[in-house]
Amino acid sequence: GESVGLHLPTLSVQEGDNSIINCAYSNSASDYFIWYKQESGKGPQFIIDIRSNMDKRQGQRVTVLLNKTVKHLSLQIAATQPGDSAVYFCAEKFGNEKLTFGTGTRLTIIP
Amino acid sequence: DAMVIQNPRYQVTQFGKPVTLSCSQTLNHNVMYWYQQKSSQAPKLLFHYYDKDFNNEADTPDNFQSRRPNTSFCFLDIRSPGLGDAAMYLCATSRPLGQGRYTFGSGTRLTVV
Repeated sequence: GESVGLHLPTLSVQEGDNSIINCAYSNSASDYFIWYKQESGKGPQFIIDIRSNMDKRQGQRVTVLLNKTVKHLSLQIAATQPGDSAVYFCAEKFGNEKLTFGTGTRLTIIP
Repeated sequence: DAMVIQNPRYQVTQFGKPVTLSCSQTLNHNVMYWYQQKSSQAPKLLFHYYDKDFNNEADTPDNFQSRRPNTSFCFLDIRSPGLGDAAMYLCATSRPLGQGRYTFGSGTRLTVV
């Protein structure tokens, strides 16, 4: 069946550097994508979303890039801080279907 | 602030003893979801309510039930918890299906002893 997957399960980044978390999706019909951040012992927290009619969207220190040609989604975090350490999930949706979550990437910020 | 609130944050229950987890929301969202999440895995959808309409996922065990007495509250009942049911249980809400963003509560960590 269709699924959302991540290239890397773990990522370590030096504090202050930029980080890029990647996500591959397989349903070419998906029209909505979202990134969540989940800190230890907490629920997922919305970071940023993007619709399929866009290829880039920026938030505060975060940018999501969507490449529909290769079905790839990425989350860029600028100037990482210790508080960015968490598990990051991408998720996709098609129309009225439910959100499908990827397996998650654990981001560790090295002081 | 409008939010999704889950109680309790931590719940310990005995093997086989029924347990209920609760979720409330002030967002007035039509849809409420219950997810099970085991360590560092993606949340797994158990079921959801669209208003009063209950929608069960095909692979959700019968041991898991849910109630939604009104728009604001939703409960997860585990009739006979097993050791394999120990997990984080997440409640989420959204506007009607088709609207993307889900708002999650902080979760209830269930331990079965």
